[in-house]
Amino acid sequence: DAGITQSPRHKVTETGTPVTLRCHQTENHRYMYWYRQDPGHGLRLIHYSYGVKDTDKGEVSDGYSVSRSKTEDFLLTLESATSSQTSVYFCAISESKGTGGTNEKLFFGSGTQLSVL
Amino acid sequence: KNQVEQSPQSLIILEGKNCTLQCNYTVSPFSNLRWYKQDTGRGPVSLTIMTFSENTKSNGRYTATLDADTKQSSLHITASQLSDSASYICVVASGGSYIPTFGRGTSLIVHP
Repeated sequence: DAGITQSPRHKVTETGTPVTLRCHQTENHRYMYWYRQDPGHGLRLIHYSYGVKDTDKGEVSDGYSVSRSKTEDFLLTLESATSSQTSVYFCAISESKGTGGTNEKLFFGSGTQLSVL
Repeated sequence: KNQVEQSPQSLIILEGKNCTLQCNYTVSPFSNLRWYKQDTGRGPVSLTIMTFSENTKSNGRYTATLDADTKQSSLHITASQLSDSASYICVVASGGSYIPTFGRGTSLIVHP
């Protein structure tokens, strides 16, 4: 497996509380992504990063923020958790080569199961 | 808008049988197409990549095809095993973009 660690693996929290999920990589890959996976929707992109302090929104970014202060760490924060954010969250990394497109494969972490009660 | 559609949504087969999963895409400009396998409770893992010039590529019992003209791909699994039970996700990359487009996946269950 690629060197990707997600923490925590499981978390239960209450509505309205802030939550931070961590993704740590040891591959020195440039690109990092946060996805959520829900039944019937597949994997949907929340935010991504194309370098240290360089981040952008994905298709389901509302209610989420991210930070990347080091190449190896990408943090996802739920500012005020809601029940609709109950999901499995996956971090992914990739190393792009050539012209800058995502020609390289994604390596995924094992996921974080988040339950918001 | 770039889209990837997969069919069927779910599939149940008996061990030893073959099956074919479909992926249709409307991604432009096309760069490559990957099939990922996701076991229960794990993150997806890449099985194979198809580029514009490739028609067929095999990885053990998995064979992927690509028809760039009709924008269709298939993943054929031969002599299925219980360990093939998983979700199979089609992902299409667009040239010059950081963001690949994901299909919703096909859930395959192999029964003994």
